[in-house]
Amino acid sequence: DTAVSQTPKYLVTQMGNDKSIKCEQNLGHDTMYWYKQDSKKFLKIMFSYNNKELIINETVPNRFSPKSPDKAHLNLHINSLELGDSAVYFCASSSIDTGNNEQFFGPGTRLTVL
Amino acid sequence: AQKITQTQPGMFVQEKEAVTLDCTYDTSDQSYGLFWYKQPSSGEMIFLIYQGSYDEQNATEGRYSLNFQKARKSANLVISASQLGDSAMYFCAMRDLLRDDMRFGAGTRLTVKP
Repeated sequence: DTAVSQTPKYLVTQMGNDKSIKCEQNLGHDTMYWYKQDSKKFLKIMFSYNNKELIINETVPNRFSPKSPDKAHLNLHINSLELGDSAVYFCASSSIDTGNNEQFFGPGTRLTVL
Repeated sequence: AQKITQTQPGMFVQEKEAVTLDCTYDTSDQSYGLFWYKQPSSGEMIFLIYQGSYDEQNATEGRYSLNFQKARKSANLVISASQLGDSAMYFCAMRDLLRDDMRFGAGTRLTVKP
């Protein structure tokens, strides 16, 4: 029944490690996104993928790389983690065909870098 | 560049009363959408209401209504008959429907008092 799912929900890791966050949507949407929400609750878009093509890349360090094996998945890979990467990461999806054009969000992944 | 401004970091309202959360935006685009999302303490992002830039009537969804004033570039959220469960962070967002680029405001934390 879950529309947009993310795993893991919590991720605690050491500085310098490489980690991945997975996202899947079963809504048949054609566009998926990754957002970062910092400790002050500010939400900023990182990436947008439409039909396997990156269409937005907001001045995000190249340590972050989105990977989309198919239309239903958009995973986020992070290399050489830094303390400042600690945040909540949200995956979202949308479709041009949805009436309100709203984005459906996953539950978020809280990443803590020690 | 698009900019979304929410000037109220925190708001208090008495249960059963109405409250207005302010949102102004800045864009040179003609075609855009305005959204409000709710984020309770559990962390998920819940879509509340949508207003298209070409919609002439203000959007309403149950107890939520959007006071859209295009000339003033404002899209305030009105919550009627506040309930304790309305206590949450509320985010205003704007999406350029052509570029599919969504930007969020800094959020307003609403607390409903019993």
